[in-house]
Amino acid sequence: EAQVTQNPRYLITVTGKKLTVTCSQNMNHEYMSWYRQDPGLGLRQIYYSMNVEVTDKGDVPEGYKVSRKEKRNFPLILESPSPNQTSLYFCASRDKRDRGTSLRHFGPGTRLTVL
Amino acid sequence: GIQVEQSPPDLILQEGANSTLRCNFSDSVNNLQWFHQNPWGQLINLFYIPSGTKQNGRLSATTVATERYSLLYISSSQTTDSGVYFCAVSQGGSEKLVFGKGMKLTVNP
Repeated sequence: EAQVTQNPRYLITVTGKKLTVTCSQNMNHEYMSWYRQDPGLGLRQIYYSMNVEVTDKGDVPEGYKVSRKEKRNFPLILESPSPNQTSLYFCASRDKRDRGTSLRHFGPGTRLTVL
Repeated sequence: GIQVEQSPPDLILQEGANSTLRCNFSDSVNNLQWFHQNPWGQLINLFYIPSGTKQNGRLSATTVATERYSLLYISSSQTTDSGVYFCAVSQGGSEKLVFGKGMKLTVNP
């Protein structure tokens, strides 16, 4: 089954404790992205990657890091989480055809709470 | 950047009623998707519809790209249709999907 998976699905942590949210897709997609969803603000893009070792900032990259060492994986790293990073996080992927027109596939979401 | 506006922001229906959700966007797009976010937070792809009309069961969608809007129709609504509906667009070669703020639908039995 074609899918995007995220782990963990739920996480409660404390300020300053480094964490990683994993994202994996089995569709051989080149493009992957991370979004965060906050009440009243909708979903906003954090980082994206166009292929292995190619990443770029989205609208709200501060406080986050990403890496793309393998095509299928795109982990989101919070080196020193703060309470304002409490949010619902989504990973998405798509193939590279047609300059952005292809369907985005979203993961199930990771609900993060930073105390 | 491009603006995406959804209306109405909230809608309460009785089971069996029909509804129309509207998405306006401020510039030309080459991708438009409708999502349903269920009460558990999952984003479910409903339609990929940069132009034209599509139907899937009780749901259908129409995008008029030249007039910069899209409509999502829900017929004979059910309680399981409750949740938040998002419209999202992208432009040109941009990787970013720009979301509207969503429309919260509540269907009462």
